[in-house]
Amino acid sequence: DAMVIQNPRYQVTQFGKPVTLSCSQTLNHNVMYWYQQKSSQAPKLLFHYYDKDFNNEADTPDNFQSRRPNTSFCFLDIRSPGLGDAAMYLCATSLRTGGADTQYFGPGTRLTVL
Amino acid sequence: GQNIDQPTEMTATEGAIVQINCTYQTSGFNGLFWYQQHAGEAPTFLSYNVLDGLEEKGRFSSFLSRSKGYSYLLLQELQMKDSASYLCASIDSNYQLIWGAGTKLIIKP
Repeated sequence: DAMVIQNPRYQVTQFGKPVTLSCSQTLNHNVMYWYQQKSSQAPKLLFHYYDKDFNNEADTPDNFQSRRPNTSFCFLDIRSPGLGDAAMYLCATSLRTGGADTQYFGPGTRLTVL
Repeated sequence: GQNIDQPTEMTATEGAIVQINCTYQTSGFNGLFWYQQHAGEAPTFLSYNVLDGLEEKGRFSSFLSRSKGYSYLLLQELQMKDSASYLCASIDSNYQLIWGAGTKLIIKP
């Protein structure tokens, strides 16, 4: 089945220790998104890629970086996690941007910062 | 500014009908999504409306009124597995998705 996969599902890191979350997709979609979602809040878009074109949201902290080495994979790097970065991180894909395409989500990675 | 409003929490009884409302204020409009999100899981797509009116999909229906900036999700014959958060998201003129905080639906036997 075509899908969006995120690893790991649960990640524990220490304050200030870099962490990388990964996402892969078999949908062959052009667009990949990274969202941060805290409990009972709306998902907050961090950035998205249209193919290899990177689009950073204006209020995404510099502490968050992303890489998309190929169509299938996308990584979220948190350089120095703080306690406020503990959240669910959701990866999503859509066929196109600039259109009303449905976004398909992976299962998420829940990040705990100690 | 851009804003999506939906109730924080609703409670309903198994077998009953519930309507979850969403009002939106976005710069331009290119449609509205409803997603279901079970606790600790990712959102899953339920519906997309861009034209006025009701779209029916089995037990779930979604309604849109563009002139009123209003949508609702109607869930019929409620089942315990419908306990989840329901997220409304509007697409603005830049095709950005503006998300609501979600409505937590609690189903009681």
